[in-house]
Amino acid sequence: AQKVTQAQTEISVVEKEDVTLDCVYETRDTTYYLFWYKQPPSGELVFLIRRNSFDEQNEISGRYSWNFQKSTSSFNFTITASQVVDSAVYFCALSEVGGATNKLIFGTGTLLAVQP
Amino acid sequence: DTGVSQDPRHKITKRGQNVTFRCDPISEHNRLYWYRQTLGQGPEFLTYFQNEAQLEKSRLLSDRFSAERPKGSFSTLEIQRTEQGDSAMYLCASSESLAGWGQETQYFGPGTRLLVL
Repeated sequence: AQKVTQAQTEISVVEKEDVTLDCVYETRDTTYYLFWYKQPPSGELVFLIRRNSFDEQNEISGRYSWNFQKSTSSFNFTITASQVVDSAVYFCALSEVGGATNKLIFGTGTLLAVQP
Repeated sequence: DTGVSQDPRHKITKRGQNVTFRCDPISEHNRLYWYRQTLGQGPEFLTYFQNEAQLEKSRLLSDRFSAERPKGSFSTLEIQRTEQGDSAMYLCASSESLAGWGQETQYFGPGTRLLVL
């Protein structure tokens, strides 16, 4: 069965610190997609990144970077020089491929609090 | 370019009442999903539409829940005889089917927060 684990429930950092959010997944599929979403206090899930299982290249987008390691089934997310506006709940998700839908399986989220 | 919209944003109801939520997807998106999110948890899949066809329903979707997507545009989610355990955030997402299964990104609406007293 597919599963996503975000072991860090809450992380608190001071502004300008770097922070890494961990995500470990389980799947029997050889083809799958991984996602990160941000959920600010307003509640709307904001898409950050999609990565397919065949592309293990790390990706950087501004202060955000993602490290995908198939060997350890991990897809970690790093924010460099964190800012107060980064405070939110971050969700990692896995998409089933080949079934009837592309429903997302979410982890339980990591609450990031960035203190000024 | 408007995103996914949901209405209402908040709903307070008494146990036993019926409620209906609406989702308007991004206009060119043919796929629509409903998820439920309880406090401290990630969203959980409820149901999925491709155009007007409801192709999958989760076991979470009891007989009291029904969803429709007439004409493949907006969707409604109705909960009959609400229970306190139905209190949650109900999220709608839409996506555009692309060549190659799974290459889509789901974009979420702001959600409807339901409180059943």
